[in-house]
Amino acid sequence: KAGVTQTPRYLIKTRGQQVTLSCSPISGHRSVSWYQQTPGQGLQFLFEYFSETQRNKGNFPGRFSGRQFSNSRSEMNVSTLELGDSALYLCASSSGGRASTDTQYFGPGTRLTVL
Amino acid sequence: QKEVEQNSGPLSVPEGAIASLNCTYSDRGSQSFFWYRQYSGKSPELIMFIYSNGDKEDGRFTAQLNKASQYVSLLIRDSQPSDSATYLCAVNWNQGGKLIFGQGTELSVKP
Repeated sequence: KAGVTQTPRYLIKTRGQQVTLSCSPISGHRSVSWYQQTPGQGLQFLFEYFSETQRNKGNFPGRFSGRQFSNSRSEMNVSTLELGDSALYLCASSSGGRASTDTQYFGPGTRLTVL
Repeated sequence: QKEVEQNSGPLSVPEGAIASLNCTYSDRGSQSFFWYRQYSGKSPELIMFIYSNGDKEDGRFTAQLNKASQYVSLLIRDSQPSDSATYLCAVNWNQGGKLIFGQGTELSVKP
């Protein structure tokens, strides 16, 4: 089975621009969760999508948004980029069951640099 | 506020020794605990998860959970230089795909 894929792998943007990142989950997985990883804050949960609906949301400003398509692929968008948005953005897919043991598998990440 | 705490390290052990990585969490209730390994420049990869009190073994890895003490640990037996990485503890509080991560512990295994 193919793993989680993310595109693009690297992005360089300037302040004020917007960016869209894409994630394709493992075949058969219906849940996609997004995380931001920075050296200072570690791995922080952004949001989760399941069956095209946002099921969970972290504590990030509204500039961060996402969506999920009927084939479970997900995109996240960051508008009005700030320098502090420079980070590794990771998506993780899981089957989507409500059990707390539902296991997440991470993609390779998108490295975003904001200049 | 649900929090997960780990010693940042670095934790240095000689090759062949047992590495012990610890994690505490702030909130009780039904939850599961995941250990991920992250090599520098790579994404996290799952090692194992545990949700019942006691020990769970998988090869050289053993996860230990004590819900009364709000404590979970990962033991790595016969540590190898290839185990050198950052180990992340994550907790799921029955919230679907929302994991709360600790800051990670950097492990260095010296030949």
